[in-house]
Amino acid sequence: EDQVTQSPEALRLQEGESSSLNCSYTVSGLRGLFWYRQDPGKGPEFLFTLYSAGEEKEKERLKATLTKKESFLHITAPKPEDSATYLCAVKVDGGQAGTALIFGKGTTLSVSS
Amino acid sequence: DAGITQSPRHKVTETGTPVTLRCHQTENHRYMYWYRQDPGHGLRLIHYSYGVKDTDKGEVSDGYSVSRSKTEDFLLTLESATSSQTSVYFCATRDSPAIETQYFGPGTRLLVL
Repeated sequence: EDQVTQSPEALRLQEGESSSLNCSYTVSGLRGLFWYRQDPGKGPEFLFTLYSAGEEKEKERLKATLTKKESFLHITAPKPEDSATYLCAVKVDGGQAGTALIFGKGTTLSVSS
Repeated sequence: DAGITQSPRHKVTETGTPVTLRCHQTENHRYMYWYRQDPGHGLRLIHYSYGVKDTDKGEVSDGYSVSRSKTEDFLLTLESATSSQTSVYFCATRDSPAIETQYFGPGTRLLVL
């Protein structure tokens, strides 16, 4: 069964304290891995798409990397406004319902000043 | 981001009543999706559409139906709402077969009493 696991479930950081969020997956035929940010009461906001092992994407303080088994979302010198839930999702070949994304449960990040 | 709106944004209803949620997009994206988000679960696919009048079931489709008569609108209907359908519902769109990224709407919070 295709699975996506995110860790930790929750992470508390001080402003400026860099860290990483993990997304591990066991799927057959990865077509893409996606990172989203979700603020309370809002819809997921797209951050990155990664397609192949070794690929990296950056946006401001965020950097996403991909290996054959997992992805990391590195947060460098975070600020309080980076506080949110970060969701990881994968798209697999011939996956559930053809074109669905399979989501992890998310990591809730809190950054205090 | 795709211009996606959902209506209503909040709804309270009683068990046994029919409920229809609407997703409207202005980006002319081909694919549209309905997900539900519940505590302890990742986003789960209910139904999706791959074109006007073309729809298919997702992972958690029991008790739901959908319709898509125009490119821009995708309706989700709970035929007879139950308390287990209390959830936050998100619509998402995707541009074309070559682009895997999905963009999400702001969500509808539904409470079934």
